[in-house]
This record gives sequence, structure tokens and C-alpha cells, in this order.
Amino acid sequence: EDQVTQSPEALRLQEGESSSLNCSYTVSGLRGLFWYRQDPGKGPEFLFTLYSAGEEKEKERLKATLTKKESFLHITAPKPEDSATYLCAVQARAQKLVFGQGTRLTINP
Amino acid sequence: DGGITQSPKYLFRKEGQNVTLSCEQNLNHDAMYWYRQDPGQGLRLIYYSQIVNDFQKGDIAEGYSVSREKKESFPLTVTSAQKNPTAFYLCASTPTTGVYEQYFGPGTRLTVT
Repeated sequence: EDQVTQSPEALRLQEGESSSLNCSYTVSGLRGLFWYRQDPGKGPEFLFTLYSAGEEKEKERLKATLTKKESFLHITAPKPEDSATYLCAVQARAQKLVFGQGTRLTINP
Repeated sequence: DGGITQSPKYLFRKEGQNVTLSCEQNLNHDAMYWYRQDPGQGLRLIYYSQIVNDFQKGDIAEGYSVSREKKESFPLTVTSAQKNPTAFYLCASTPTTGVYEQYFGPGTRLTVT
């Protein structure tokens, strides 16, 4: 069975304090790994798709990386507006996504 | 603007009543999905449809039903057989089958008392 585990469950940082979120997965035949951002009471917003180990993608203060067992979302010099829940999901052979439980990130000014 | 709309944003029902959640998209996407999200948990797939007049059960389909009579619309009915219906429901779509990011609607929060 495909599984996705995100850690930590919650992370509190000071503004400007860089850190990383982890997404570990077990899946047969990874076709894609997705990162989303979700604000309270809203739908997830797409951030990145990674397709194969070694791939990296960047957007503003965020950088996503992928290995054969896990993905990291690196946040550099975060700002309070980066506070949100970050979701990781994998797609294997079927059309559906399997989501992790998310990491709730809080950036204090 | 293209996107996905879900209505209403908040929905309250009495236990034992069926309720239908609306999902409409004007992105011309073939595939649509319904998820349920509970506090502190990830999204769990209820049903998905890859084409009009066809749909498949996801991981937690019991107590739910769907229809896909039009490409733009994928309504979800929460029946009285669903034991714990109170949750945040999210609809999503992709252009077609394959590896595509899913576009999500704003969600409907259903409370059943």
C-alpha cells in the first residue's frame, strides 16, 4: 500500500530562520510527487511537481528536492506570510494521489 | 477567470438527511475528484471521474454517491449511511489522465448534528 508520512507535524520558526520539511514515501512506481500549500479554511494551492530522484525546483523562498525515499521542502529566510500547512502527495500507477497529513508551519515576526 | 467553484461554503444538516455538495469547473478538464479532509489529517479520496458518465470509488466511498452527467459538474451526495459526515470536502480537477497537478476548489465545510 502506498504511504506518505510528513514530519514534523508542526513547526514554529522566527522570521528569517531557515528550515526544511520532510515527506517520506513508500510507493510502487512513483510517477510524480506534489507539494501544496493550504491556508486555513481554503483549498490546497499547487507549488511543485517532482518526477524523478535528483530533481529540484524553486519558487521564491521555497525549494523542493526529491530522492528515492523522500522529498524535502526547504524554506529560506521565511516571512510571516509563509505560514500555512504544507501538504505532500504522491502519484503512482493509478490516477489518484495519496496525501500525507501535512506540516503546519508558523512564522513569527 | 477559469477555476473550480464549490457551493455552499458552509452547510449544516441534521443527522439522517442526505445532502448534495456542488462542484463546477470551467477549466475544460476531463478528470474530477472529491476528497474529504479531517482535522490534522491529509486528504482522503472519496470518488473520482476520468470522463463524463464514468466514475470510480476512492479509498473511502462508503456512504457517498456521485454523478458525472456533464463535463463541468461533479456533485457529491453525502447519504445518511455515512457514519461521520462532518468534515471539510474538497473538489479538484486535472486536464486529463496522467501526471498532472490537481486544481482544487475552495471547499465546503459540512456540519451534521
